[in-house]
Amino acid sequence: DAGITQSPRHKVTETGTPVTLRCHQTENHRYMYWYRQDPGHGLRLIHYSYGVKDTDKGEVSDGYSVSRSKTEDFLLTLESATSSQTSVYFCAISDRVSQETQYFGPGTRLLVL
Amino acid sequence: QKEVEQDPGPLSVPEGAIVSLNCTYSNSAFQYFMWYRQYSRKGPELLMYTYSSGNKEDGRFTAQVDKSSKYISLFIRDSQPSDSATYLCAMSGGGTSYGKLTFGQGTILTVHP
Repeated sequence: DAGITQSPRHKVTETGTPVTLRCHQTENHRYMYWYRQDPGHGLRLIHYSYGVKDTDKGEVSDGYSVSRSKTEDFLLTLESATSSQTSVYFCAISDRVSQETQYFGPGTRLLVL
Repeated sequence: QKEVEQDPGPLSVPEGAIVSLNCTYSNSAFQYFMWYRQYSRKGPELLMYTYSSGNKEDGRFTAQVDKSSKYISLFIRDSQPSDSATYLCAMSGGGTSYGKLTFGQGTILTVHP
């Protein structure tokens, strides 16, 4: 998985609980992305980062926030988890030369009860 | 209407068959076209990458892009059971889009011996 790890790999939480997912890369790539994958929707972009402390919203950003204080780490936070945020979350990275060529992590399966 | 439409299948073919996977899109700004393969419970992996219109071949895989029709295809020749996976098309506008990808819903392919 191109030097990308995600933690935790599985998580079960309750509605209203804050949750933070971590993406860690060892490739020194500039761009990082968070997607969610749901049946019938493919992958949808939540947030992305184009540099340290530089982030922006994607297609489905409501209820999510992100932070990137180091090149290698990109955190996704669900401030108050809802059942609609039950999903599989993927982190991806790409470099400055070929931003569209993205490499994905193994995913985090999140269940919100 | 979604920006990218992909027939979810499922598609089941015998080993050795030629497989055709397709996506249509509505955003004429898309310039980069990708195909990802995703095995069960894994992250997507990049299979083919094409810029603008034309064909690209890599072993048993051929990607075609017809920008005039807003239609892209992936052909798999001599399909193998190991090709059984979900195939996702993805597109990007390039330029200042920071590599943001828009995905189709994915097509589930099963190649049976």
